[in-house]
Amino acid sequence: GAVVSQHPSWVICKSGTSVKIECRSLDFQATTMFWYRQFPKQSLMLMATSNEGSKATYEQGVEKDKFLINHASLTLSTLTVTSAHPEDSSFYICSASPASGLYQETQYFGPGTRLLVL
Amino acid sequence: QKEVEQNSGPLSVPEGAIASLNCTYSDRGSQSFFWYRQYSGKSPELIMSIYSNGDKEDGRFTAQLNKASQYVSLLIRDSQPSDSATYLCAVATTSGTYKYIFGTGTRLKVLA
Repeated sequence: GAVVSQHPSWVICKSGTSVKIECRSLDFQATTMFWYRQFPKQSLMLMATSNEGSKATYEQGVEKDKFLINHASLTLSTLTVTSAHPEDSSFYICSASPASGLYQETQYFGPGTRLLVL
Repeated sequence: QKEVEQNSGPLSVPEGAIASLNCTYSDRGSQSFFWYRQYSGKSPELIMSIYSNGDKEDGRFTAQLNKASQYVSLLIRDSQPSDSATYLCAVATTSGTYKYIFGTGTRLKVLA
């Protein structure tokens, strides 16, 4: 149980294009989903927290107009990197917390999406 | 001051030994603590959660929590080379938007 998927796992795009990454909780409903970014040999950096049906909460320093987050249902959140540039190349990881129950605070991570912007 | 601190390592232990990973946190009101394992190039996977003072065992893993000392640890018994990874300590926030505060992780190397 508690499986989170991400799609795509790898994406290569040209500078200036937009990329959409999907995060799905496969066997549970997730009230809250999180988006992280991780550069090589660095720790996870939380970008934003999204709650189903409401606007995402972005961490300080994260451009909300560049990283668009939509959490349209209890099982799906999307991150769109708009007008991607080479410095946006990174490992993007989502996580999801169950909507209710004993393990409500536990975050389950997706496998990540590696983005390379040329 | 960092809110969740871990020694970055690497911590090297021989195969079969006990690996001890430590984490301290600054928010005295924290109630929920998590250990994740992250292999190079992969996303974190949950090892254990702990909410009460004392020990919690799951297979070869034991999490220990001491809220008075603001300290949480992870013991790995009979360490295997496959345990070589970065171990992340996470503490759930107690105010504002719910999220984790992660430590920077401890890199563990189990030597065959």
